[in-house]
Amino acid sequence: DAKTTQPPSMDCAEGRAANLPCNHSTISGNEYVYWYRQIHSQGPQYIIHGLKNNETNEMASLIITEDRKSSTLILPHATLRDTAVYYCIVETTDSWGKLQFGAGTQVVVTP
Amino acid sequence: DAGITQSPRHKVTETGTPVTLRCHQTENHRYMYWYRQDPGHGLRLIHYSYGVKDTDKGEVSDGYSVSRSKTEDFLLTLESATSSQTSVYFCAIREAGHSYEQYFGPGTRLTVT
Repeated sequence: DAKTTQPPSMDCAEGRAANLPCNHSTISGNEYVYWYRQIHSQGPQYIIHGLKNNETNEMASLIITEDRKSSTLILPHATLRDTAVYYCIVETTDSWGKLQFGAGTQVVVTP
Repeated sequence: DAGITQSPRHKVTETGTPVTLRCHQTENHRYMYWYRQDPGHGLRLIHYSYGVKDTDKGEVSDGYSVSRSKTEDFLLTLESATSSQTSVYFCAIREAGHSYEQYFGPGTRLTVT
């Protein structure tokens, strides 16, 4: 069974913030939330991960709710190059890094 | 970009023939992974390695074997290719310790006719 639920698709205007939701209501205390994206035909690219605190890096911000049952990936100023499939994954750090990818969210950034 | 290469990048083969895909890294990372991706789906883990000669099965390992005789190379073998193994294959690496992100190669597109 999938550990995460994401909307299948969403559109975003160039220059605006893109807010990508992810539900993970059965997350365990030792499971991290990871975000990857896959631009058409390329290998997935790591974006960010977190346990319970909000995280920010040069690519995005990750907001995790206090109960950890959902999270939001924020791309602060979307560009056309951010058009991709975005995957939200929850995994423990002791699982040998075996990521379970779902179907993800297809994000299309429009001019 | 992480130093990961995959070869070949494209291959067409016939049903029943053996096929070996190679993943090569220059990062000296401990962990290596093979995934497959079919149209409209996310990636699924085939096999992974947590060190030289240390490998284990993933979610969809039937019909595949792997070998890792040195840190930098992780080979995926289809002993007798079938049409259901037509897919795009991605290799990934991850270093040991507290860095959990995986870095992916460019992929190999395999067609079994």
